[in-house]
Amino acid sequence: GQQLNQSPQSMFIQEGEDVSMNCTSSSIFNTWLWYKQDPGEGPVLLIALYKAGELTSNGRLTAQFGITRKDSFLNISASIPSDVGIYFCAGQLRGATNKLIFGTGTLLAVQP
Amino acid sequence: DAGVIQSPRHEVTEMGQEVTLRCKPISGHNSLFWYRQTMMRGLELLIYFNNNVPIDDSGMPEDRFSAKMPNASFSTLKIQPSEPRDSAVYFCASSLSDLQAFFGQGTRLTVV
Repeated sequence: GQQLNQSPQSMFIQEGEDVSMNCTSSSIFNTWLWYKQDPGEGPVLLIALYKAGELTSNGRLTAQFGITRKDSFLNISASIPSDVGIYFCAGQLRGATNKLIFGTGTLLAVQP
Repeated sequence: DAGVIQSPRHEVTEMGQEVTLRCKPISGHNSLFWYRQTMMRGLELLIYFNNNVPIDDSGMPEDRFSAKMPNASFSTLKIQPSEPRDSAVYFCASSLSDLQAFFGQGTRLTVV
């Protein structure tokens, strides 16, 4: 099935560092969502973006909906060990119904 | 609210057997999604329902897979007969029309 291009695939950082990951597509999206998945659990929604150019924060997390509607990024500031997990972007294609396409995921490891 | 509830959490079955996965969405949500997650293919949407009606089943791998939603509070995903390549984590998610999908904890299926 169709997937978004998410990068990087993995990141290994020190506690306190800032993190940035992004998703791109050749298609235009109406909505972008960012999820985090812990081992053995389902993805949990972090941030939802609904308008091109929208910049939204949730604590140490900041995400933006690209102006072209084809990309989005997620930043995590001052990382902590509990930020460890897999981060997924997800988007709704323009013209599609209630259907999300998921990115390939970014594995984040934080060294204390 | 208890969130999306899936059962069982783990299922081990022999090839050829019928497998039924169950999901109880969040009360009041009108959309329900079934996803499959594997290392190779990531998160794939299998099928989704809106107001109990299947809207898009293009992600269902083949005729061995079927899904039902007899009422707003219950859905099943059935695999008959199961094969080893069906081994994966199957997630159910539900949402309102705003696309903020909430995931269950998943069912880890192993077909031997």
